[in-house]
Order: sequence, then C-alpha cells, then structure tokens
Amino acid sequence: AQKVTQAQTEISVVEKEDVTLDCVYETRDTTYYLFWYKQPPSGELVFLIRRNSFDEQNEISGRYSWNFQKSTSSFNFTITASQVVDSAVYFCALSSRGDSSYKLIFGSGTRLLVRP
Amino acid sequence: DGGITQSPKYLFRKEGQNVTLSCEQNLNHDAMYWYRQDPGQGLRLIYYSQIVNDFQKGDIAEGYSVSREKKESFPLTVTSAQKNPTAFYLCATKAGIHEQFFGPGTRLTVL
Repeated sequence: AQKVTQAQTEISVVEKEDVTLDCVYETRDTTYYLFWYKQPPSGELVFLIRRNSFDEQNEISGRYSWNFQKSTSSFNFTITASQVVDSAVYFCALSSRGDSSYKLIFGSGTRLLVRP
Repeated sequence: DGGITQSPKYLFRKEGQNVTLSCEQNLNHDAMYWYRQDPGQGLRLIYYSQIVNDFQKGDIAEGYSVSREKKESFPLTVTSAQKNPTAFYLCATKAGIHEQFFGPGTRLTVL
C-alpha cells in the first residue's frame, strides 16, 4: 500500500523565520515520484517540485529547498526567511510507476501561517 | 491563454439532483483526472482518463460518472447516488509520467 504522512497539521511562524514541513512516504515500488504542491486560499494547487526515486540530490530554488532521504522515506520541504505570501496549505504527494494510472497519493496537508 | 479551466466556480445542488462539473484544457495533455478534496484533508482520486474514449475508476468513484469524448474535455457528473457530495473538486492534467497540473476547482454544496 502507498501512503503519505504529513504529521504537522498546522505551523505558525513569524516572518523571516525558517520553517520545515515534514513528509514521510510508504511504497513498495522501487521507481516512484514525489511532489510538493502549494494550495493558497484561492484553492488551486500550484506545482512546486517533482523528485524521482533514483535521484536523491537535494534541490534549492530561491528560498525553497527540499531534502530527499530514501533511508528514512522522507521528503522534507524548507522555506528560508519565510514571507507572508508563503501562507498556504502545502501538500506532499507520491505517484508510482507500478500504478498505471500514475495517480497522486496525497498527504493530508500542512497549513502554514506566516505572521508579519 | 493556456491552461485548465473549471466551471462553475461555485455550484449548489438540491438533494436528488444530478449536476455536471466542467473541465477543459488546451495543454494538449493526454491524461486527465478528477479529485475530491474534503476540509482538512488531501485529495482523493475519483476518475481518470489516459486517452480519449477511455476512462477508469479511481478510489472513490461511487456516485460519480465521467465521459471523455474529446481530448480537451473531461466533465464530471455528480449523481444523486453520491450521498455526501459537498466538497471541493479539482481537475488535473498530466503529460507523460510527470507532474499533474490543476485547474482552479469547483466548490459544490448540497442544499
């Protein structure tokens, strides 16, 4: 069975603080893909990043960085120097090559509130 | 203007009614998906289609139906058999095996 767990339901930080959103996944497939999406109050999901299971290299994009560790089945997301505009719900998701639909299995999301 | 459009943005349904949610895309993507989101939860797959004239049930297909007569369109009908249809519905498309792109969503409320 495939599963994504985002244990942090809600996080509140003050602007300019760093914040890490945790994501733990379960899958038996050896080839899989991990994603992070941002859902602002408008509701639309915005794609942030995709990571392939065979590429454990960490990635940085501006204030965003992602730490992928297969040994702990984790794919954590860090926002450096958070801003009010980062306030949103963030979802981690998993898809597997063993599933022909390539559907996304979502975690329950982490609501991030950045206070001025 | 490229992308995925969903209409209407808000939809109200009386009990016993069938309603249809529209999803249109001009990204030329083959695969299209319908997800349902309930408050405080992640998204769950209702139906998906990987090619025109073909579609498959997802994890929570009961009470829903779809069609895929054109590559650009993947409408979702919420039937009266769906006992708890109040939710936020998101349509997505995917090219190849990579990320899915989402539309703005339709918020359905049962009166």
